[in-house]
Amino acid sequence: GIQVEQSPPDLILQEGANSTLRCNFSDSVNNLQWFHQNPWGQLINLFYIPSGTKQNGRLSATTVATERYSLLYISSSQTTDSGVYFCAAEAGSARQLTFGSGTQLTVLP
Amino acid sequence: KAGVTQTPRYLIKTRGQQVTLSCSPISGHRSVSWYQQTPGQGLQFLFEYFSETQRNKGNFPGRFSGRQFSNSRSEMNVSTLELGDSALYLCASKRGSGANVLTFGAGSRLTVL
Repeated sequence: GIQVEQSPPDLILQEGANSTLRCNFSDSVNNLQWFHQNPWGQLINLFYIPSGTKQNGRLSATTVATERYSLLYISSSQTTDSGVYFCAAEAGSARQLTFGSGTQLTVLP
Repeated sequence: KAGVTQTPRYLIKTRGQQVTLSCSPISGHRSVSWYQQTPGQGLQFLFEYFSETQRNKGNFPGRFSGRQFSNSRSEMNVSTLELGDSALYLCASKRGSGANVLTFGAGSRLTVL
């Protein structure tokens, strides 16, 4: 099945800094989503982005499907951005999302 | 509209017992998927149900089972619990089997003693 790798595994920032999280995937995808897992465990949808670029406030994402990677940008980070960010991809007829191992983001005040 | 609702949120069981977890999808969503999250294995797919039929199953032993009712609510059951079954169990729904955007519930955190 598809392999999904995320980097970096851990990221510590000062409030106000910008960051880029990366997701590499091993196959052509028909679904790619970014999630933020809050401290209580819930996965919150950030983007559905199998290709192209999207922006939502301070967050934006770009997927270059031909090169099999996706990037999540967080600008002017806030302490509430802390948590684990997951990339998940679905390829072909798999009918299931395969998750990366996540990036643990800590934003310090 | 209401999101994906999972019950119970927390539970503690002992080895050998069984457990049933419930998931109510977003209204109008007919596909429900279940995932297990552990510190060691990360997030792993368990199974997907659509219109009361299991459409896909992950690589888990037969002790893990599920079902979906006509109102799209789903339950998953784990029998003969083992310590390694301690995990956060997450349910997600989407509009149809061919739809793409999954929306997750808050999860059920199971501790096996």
